[in-house]
Amino acid sequence: EAGVAQSPRYKIIEKRQSVAFWCNPISGHATLYWYQQILGQGPKLLIQFQNNGVVDDSQLPKDRFSAERLKGVDSTLKIQPAKLEDSAVYLCASSLEGGGVTEAFFGQGTRLTVV
Amino acid sequence: AQRVTQPEKLLSVFKGAPVELKCNYSYSGSPELFWYVQYSRQRLQLLLRHISRESIKGFTADLNKGETSFHLKKPFAQEEDSAMYYCALSPGGYQKVTFGTGTKLQVIP
Repeated sequence: EAGVAQSPRYKIIEKRQSVAFWCNPISGHATLYWYQQILGQGPKLLIQFQNNGVVDDSQLPKDRFSAERLKGVDSTLKIQPAKLEDSAVYLCASSLEGGGVTEAFFGQGTRLTVV
Repeated sequence: AQRVTQPEKLLSVFKGAPVELKCNYSYSGSPELFWYVQYSRQRLQLLLRHISRESIKGFTADLNKGETSFHLKKPFAQEEDSAMYYCALSPGGYQKVTFGTGTKLQVIP
């Protein structure tokens, strides 16, 4: 089966600019996650969708980050305005069910550099 | 709050030597524990989960509730085991999965 697709793979922007990332999960997977992985740290969950509803966004900096999952399939994550500390790899993952119930499959990630 | 601690950033072992990657967790209930692995230039992927009680690629992990640990073990390391390993925890059900900071395993030929 096709894996989780993310684009772009790399992005360099200046601080205070905006940026958007796109994710296409595995077909049929109800749950979609966005993780932020800062260099030297483990992935940190930003937001978890169940179909097109938000299950957990407790660690999403809502003043600058937003995410949506229209029609319960593709998802976009936006940062506006970006800060230097947002430099990280943004990982999208999907699973049949949420949490640890079923295996999460990860995309290749988008490496964001804010200068 | 749930927390996962991996005390070693880097673990170097010789090929054929035993491997133990440490993971300790903090959670008051009965969590589900996982090990994820990321090989060079590949995606993060699930290695094993404690509820399955399985051995994957020769690796096993036992949940020790008394010591709140979930160490990953393999009796004889192979060069292809070199990768980044992440321990992860979920309270259960549909609640979020929390990852540790990861341990880089380097198997020396």
